[in-house]
Amino acid sequence: GAGVSQSPSNKVTEKGKDVELRCDPISGHTALYWYRQRLGQGLEFLIYFQGNSAPDKSGLPSDRFSAERTGESVSTLTIQRTQQEDSAVYLCASSYLAPGGELFFGEGSRLTVL
Amino acid sequence: AQSVAQPEDQVNVAEGNPLTVKCTYSVSGNPYLFWYVQYPNRGLQFLLKYITGDNLVKGSYGFEAEFNKSQTSFHLKKPSALVSDSALYFCAVRDLGYNKLIFGAGTRLAVHP
Repeated sequence: GAGVSQSPSNKVTEKGKDVELRCDPISGHTALYWYRQRLGQGLEFLIYFQGNSAPDKSGLPSDRFSAERTGESVSTLTIQRTQQEDSAVYLCASSYLAPGGELFFGEGSRLTVL
Repeated sequence: AQSVAQPEDQVNVAEGNPLTVKCTYSVSGNPYLFWYVQYPNRGLQFLLKYITGDNLVKGSYGFEAEFNKSQTSFHLKKPSALVSDSALYFCAVRDLGYNKLIFGAGTRLAVHP
């Protein structure tokens, strides 16, 4: 596709359930990012993938959060035993490998934990 | 570690007036600086970036930003605001030695007719 694709666009789940969010980056983009945006707030960095290098996981808020990416393709963000404070929009972005490369964002996955 | 600050939660401007949205940053080396805009219920869109060269950078929708190294600032500007410019604006910085892009908390711009 032409842009970054995220699914599902909306997810409502019960506290304690696991959820999986998917991101399909722009073809050819080697870098992939996950951010979290709580209602009315800024973007919180979660994790960064670059090719086959070890990911930068420094933003993951707890061990309930994990993410995978195979090569330069799809990434999945998994949240185990969801809590109400996990409710947010989870944004994925991709870019070319370059310090000056701008990020292209998907529309986000809105997660609501009841 | 790199950081970025947007000191204003909201900026109010009358249509036709100039606007400025402030951003300051902290990095250990030379910065790569970006501005993004988020319209309601939409993803973030890239506006402009500073990598090197001319301190005044021009971007989409008539926006521009001025890099000031001594003041570690990268304020977003537009000579004449439009109501359609009303949105949430984010400044972001990447340190030369790091790959992750860190965003400010965002500034809500409200342009009144």
